[in-house]
Amino acid sequence: GAVVSQHPSWVICKSGTSVKIECRSLDFQATTMFWYRQFPKQSLMLMATSNEGSKATYEQGVEKDKFLINHASLTLSTLTVTSAHPEDSSFYICSARKYTREKSTDTQYFGPGTRLTVL
Amino acid sequence: AQSVTQLGSHVSVSEGALVLLRCNYSSSVPPYLFWYVQYPNQGLQLLLKYTSAATLVKGINGFEAEFKKSETSFHLTKPSAHMSDAAEYFCAVSDRSQFYFGTGTSLTVIP
Repeated sequence: GAVVSQHPSWVICKSGTSVKIECRSLDFQATTMFWYRQFPKQSLMLMATSNEGSKATYEQGVEKDKFLINHASLTLSTLTVTSAHPEDSSFYICSARKYTREKSTDTQYFGPGTRLTVL
Repeated sequence: AQSVTQLGSHVSVSEGALVLLRCNYSSSVPPYLFWYVQYPNQGLQLLLKYTSAATLVKGINGFEAEFKKSETSFHLTKPSAHMSDAAEYFCAVSDRSQFYFGTGTSLTVIP
């Protein structure tokens, strides 16, 4: 099956610093990737849709200047949390969309998540 | 618009008992439906998915779900719970462009 990786798996940073999280599709090309945020004991909330070669589409209420998304290649999307503050501490999960025209399948595969703690 | 409702944020079953996790959906297009499992501090693992083929879908770890259009439901079941099934379960609906997740159901298995 398709594999999506995230790096790092966890990160601790000081308030005011920026943190970059990588999402990679290891064995398929993904024109579309998604970034989610999950608070403890809660569901996943879609933050933005990342399209290769174009600007990301952000959900309502998500600050695009704070959560910078870059999708420079078909296998890599990055989320940068700029000037992080304690309230940004959360579990960030990415997913990559795999579309196979021959099989008419369209499935999202999720990364293992990145735990961000801002002190 | 698409949405998912999971009834029961917490479900407890005895080991060996039937597992039933409920999911109802709302979709303006023929839906794709999914069940994911999440273990603590881990990402989501796909259990099974419905994409307009057979209405009874079998997944991994002995789970299955039945798509019932008349009831707009996609409940997840497993005949006999195992201790390793204790986790958070999410139902999701897709409109081909993005996923919409339910709020999750935490499954506890009592020995």
